[in-house]
Amino acid sequence: DGGITQSPKYLFRKEGQNVTLSCEQNLNHDAMYWYRQDPGQGLRLIYYSQIVNDFQKGDIAEGYSVSREKKESFPLTVTSAQKNPTAFYLCASSPPGASYTSPLHFGNGTRLTVT
Amino acid sequence: GNSVTQMEGPVTLSEEAFLTINCTYTATGYPSLFWYVQYPGEGLQLLLKATKADDKGSNKGFEATYRKETTSFHLEKGSVQVSDSAVYFCALSDAYTNAGKSTFGDGTTLTVKP
Repeated sequence: DGGITQSPKYLFRKEGQNVTLSCEQNLNHDAMYWYRQDPGQGLRLIYYSQIVNDFQKGDIAEGYSVSREKKESFPLTVTSAQKNPTAFYLCASSPPGASYTSPLHFGNGTRLTVT
Repeated sequence: GNSVTQMEGPVTLSEEAFLTINCTYTATGYPSLFWYVQYPGEGLQLLLKATKADDKGSNKGFEATYRKETTSFHLEKGSVQVSDSAVYFCALSDAYTNAGKSTFGDGTTLTVKP
């Protein structure tokens, strides 16, 4: 079955370390996104990419970086510059030619805890 | 800018009770509206959607009607089950933004007790 795979499900890091979250999709979707979810809050967009080798900052990009070297993969690096990195991170995608009427497809998320 | 306001939670109901989760929005133009559901420890899944005024989205017994005059998209279910316990998100996207820049509400946590 096609879908979005995020790994690992749980990730623990010490403060000051960079950490990379994996997101892989086999849906043949062009666009991919990273969201951050905090308790009691909606989703906030970190970065998005509409084609390979191109990506744009979302609303809360500071302290994060991404790459899009392959259509299937969109890894997110949480750097030591991110002041409050502990959160639930969700990767999503949308199909080719998606208009504003199309829903997003989500992975199952990675819960990052930084101590 | 766009915004989505959801009924504050958490909401606790007994099995077979009627459910309403309110959602109102502010947007330019004519947005598409979505309800997503998130089960514990998982990502979001599309529950239903409506893309124009007066459309009714429905799925798994849940319904929501796109009301342009009241800028609302309230989620309803006639008889909830324990398995409906989850977090529900209302969201919108409009023709002026990429679909990935959807605007989400803060989510409403529903707990259904047997």
